[in-house]
Amino acid sequence: EAQVTQNPRYLITVTGKKLTVTCSQNMNHEYMSWYRQDPGLGLRQIYYSMNVEVTDKGDVPEGYKVSRKEKRNFPLILESPSPNQTSLYFCASRPQALAKNIQYFGAGTRLSVL
Amino acid sequence: ELKVEQNPLFLSMQEGKNYTIYCNYSTTSDRLYWYRQDPGKSLESLFVLLSNGAVKQEGRLMASLDTKARLSTLHITAAVHDLSATYFCAVCQGAQKLVFGQGTRLTINP
Repeated sequence: EAQVTQNPRYLITVTGKKLTVTCSQNMNHEYMSWYRQDPGLGLRQIYYSMNVEVTDKGDVPEGYKVSRKEKRNFPLILESPSPNQTSLYFCASRPQALAKNIQYFGAGTRLSVL
Repeated sequence: ELKVEQNPLFLSMQEGKNYTIYCNYSTTSDRLYWYRQDPGKSLESLFVLLSNGAVKQEGRLMASLDTKARLSTLHITAAVHDLSATYFCAVCQGAQKLVFGQGTRLTINP
């Protein structure tokens, strides 16, 4: 079954404590992306990756890092989380070409930073 | 910079009625997506609209795209409770990026 798997689904942490949210896809997709969803703002892109070792900033990259060492995995790293990073996070993947291809979304990770 | 705006942001309607959600965007694009999100769930792809005049229909939902007006509509016909959800449009910016609207929270009452 085609899947984008995020872990953990829920996370409560404290300011400054480094954390990683993992994302894995089993569809051999080249393109992967992280979004955050906040009420009234829709989804905003944090980082994206067009292939292994190729990453770029989205609209709201501050305070986040990513890496793409393998095609299937695209972890999101918060080196020093702050309360304004409390949000719902989604990982997504799709084949390289955007035309005609839909993005598949993970189930989401709800993060609270105290 | 591409801006995508949906309206209304909240919509409460009765079963059996028709209504339309609008998605306006600020710069040229010929690809637009509609997604559905149920509470606490992920996003589910509904429609991909690839050209001017494109129309797609699935059950009680119909989506259209007018690239000249930079407008897409999602029309709901004879609404049923199961269609209650938040609906997002997303517009392609360049070859790689999707920009999302704020979402329209639709509640359908018996």
